Amino acid sequence: EVQLVQSGAEVKKPGESLKISCKGSGYSFTSYWIGWVRQMPGKGLEWMGIIYPGDSDTRYSPSFQGQVTISADKSISTAYLQWSSLKASDTAMYYCARLSSGWYLDYWGQGTLVTVSS
Amino acid sequence: DIQMTQSPSSLSASVGDRVTITCRASQGISNYLAWYQQKPGKVPKLLIYAASTLQSGVPSRFSGSGSGTDFTLTISSLQPEDVATYYCQKYNSAPLTFGQGTRLEIK
Repeated sequence: EVQLVQSGAEVKKPGESLKISCKGSGYSFTSYWIGWVRQMPGKGLEWMGIIYPGDSDTRYSPSFQGQVTISADKSISTAYLQWSSLKASDTAMYYCARLSSGWYLDYWGQGTLVTVSS
Repeated sequence: DIQMTQSPSSLSASVGDRVTITCRASQGISNYLAWYQQKPGKVPKLLIYAASTLQSGVPSRFSGSGSGTDFTLTISSLQPEDVATYYCQKYNSAPLTFGQGTRLEIK
């Protein structure tokens, strides 16, 4: 069974750094792209970027380029989303999802809620 | 970048109604279009890919059509459990942009 399990909710202060994770199981982690999606409170889905764990090829949405870093450690089947300096506007639910061979999102993690508040 | 525009932004319909949601791409994307359902407080779920292929386990009252720039998601007979927000997404190439969503309620 394909599963993506994300790390738990985080409460941070503005300016702090953060790295959240997404662990894949039940499939060949290095053979499928993993994507990250943001959902701000009461808002829609925003595509942030994707990574291919096999070779760490990464693509970012122009809206998120330079704002976050997507990485992966294939040895532990885990993808990451990180911030170097959080802002209040980063408060959101963040989902990871597996891209099928056709690049639609066929399996989703349970989401990680990030709250940034002073 | 290609923009995805859904209409309407919200709609209210009665149980048993036929419901149609439209998604328009600013440039042609062939059939690289997926639809997702997000129920309140839940994780998004894949409904349809390749514009018209139903994901395994999705009820047959859901269907998709279209190619190029204009796509539709249809629910043939609305059920109470279909209350959700529906999103389209292009996936022919990055960025894999979502539409803004359509909130569906029961009248």
